[in-house]
Amino acid sequence: EPEVTQTPSHQVTQMGQEVILRCVPISNHLYFYWYRQILGQKVEFLVSFYNNEISEKSEIFDDQFSVERPDGSNFTLKIRSTKLEDSAMYFCASSDWAGVEKLFFGSGTQLSVL
Amino acid sequence: GENVEQHPSTLSVQEGDSAVIKCTYSDSASNYFPWYKQELGKRPQLIIDIRSNVGEKKDQRIAVTLNKTAKHFSLHITETQPEDSAVYFCAASSSNAGNMLTFGGGTRLMVKP
Repeated sequence: EPEVTQTPSHQVTQMGQEVILRCVPISNHLYFYWYRQILGQKVEFLVSFYNNEISEKSEIFDDQFSVERPDGSNFTLKIRSTKLEDSAMYFCASSDWAGVEKLFFGSGTQLSVL
Repeated sequence: GENVEQHPSTLSVQEGDSAVIKCTYSDSASNYFPWYKQELGKRPQLIIDIRSNVGEKKDQRIAVTLNKTAKHFSLHITETQPEDSAVYFCAASSSNAGNMLTFGGGTRLMVKP
């Protein structure tokens, strides 16, 4: 079965540093998402991406965050200047024409900001 | 925006018993309600979903019920097995919010053999 893959599985960084989290969505999918989960808290929506542009974003997704689909396969989340409170598990997800229905999640990147 | 509350946060049952997890939502425009299962260290996986035009949906040992008037929906697992042990998340999506899922806080289900 096709899977969404994320790299790295763990990322440790210093506060103020830039990080790029990488995702390879399922190949024929059209919609791409980033969610995050702070330890012990809810899974939170960050951003959705369709047709090479952001379709929705939450309040969390401020100017420090950006997404990019640099080629036909990768989907990246960049945090420009990390803060301690950015420490979380970041999940990439993708879906086909069904959009938010039938989301397939990646296994996540655990980001630790020190 | 939408707010989804989920209860209980932890649930322990004996193998073979039933488990029920409940969620409430705030946005009356929400029309899609999925449930995800996340085993330890693994990705969330969709196990069942329901749209607002039906009141109940069943798939083998799992079922979901929806009460639109009361704005709540529930996951029912019958004949629980140890492999059902996981964290379960409910979510809701509104036709007004496009492609955004709002998740509940999760329920850690432990099935004791």
